Amino acid sequence: GENVEQHPSTLSVQEGDSAVIKCTYSDSASNYFPWYKQELGKRPQLIIDIRSNVGEKKDQRIAVTLNKTAKHFSLHITETQPEDSAVYFCAAIRRAAGNKLTFGGGTRVLVKP
Amino acid sequence: DAGVTQSPTHLIKTRGQHVTLRCSPISGHKSVSWYQQVLGQGPQFIFQYYEKEERGRGNFPDRFSARQFPNYSSELNVNALLLGDSALYLCASSAWGGENNEQFFGPGTRLTVL
Repeated sequence: GENVEQHPSTLSVQEGDSAVIKCTYSDSASNYFPWYKQELGKRPQLIIDIRSNVGEKKDQRIAVTLNKTAKHFSLHITETQPEDSAVYFCAAIRRAAGNKLTFGGGTRVLVKP
Repeated sequence: DAGVTQSPTHLIKTRGQHVTLRCSPISGHKSVSWYQQVLGQGPQFIFQYYEKEERGRGNFPDRFSARQFPNYSSELNVNALLLGDSALYLCASSAWGGENNEQFFGPGTRLTVL
């Protein structure tokens, strides 16, 4: 089955700096890659996603890149703010596997004022 | 707010007991998936139901079962509870059963097994 590895597990950045989280996946049949943000005690919320026919997607301060050949994808947050502090999860869905999300282990991001 | 709802919010059980968790998807959504999130880890897929039929099952023992009702709400049942079943159980709703469609998570049910 699919396996998703996520790095780093913790990330501390100064407010205004950029944050980058990287994920690798094992199954070349995976074709949908969402990113979720989970604040303490709350539900995961989708912040951005990318499909396998796209190499990059941007939404304001957040961008995601996908390298299908290397089977890795990354989340980039620019101009970080204290409210960006949370746990971020990458995930992958394999083609024809319905809605089964395989999650990475998560990255705890702390933005220091 | 017509988001995904789950009940109960918190639950405390003892080993060997049985538990039923409930989920109501967003209106119009026909697919419900269940995930287990152990503290400090990413969610793990348990089940997906679409149009009242099981569409996927994760690597969980037969003590875990689920069903979906005609109104698309769902129940997750866990029998013979173990200490390791303590986790946040998340329900996710999506419009249809295939990939490439956004899943919306509910607030979760925090299960503690003593």
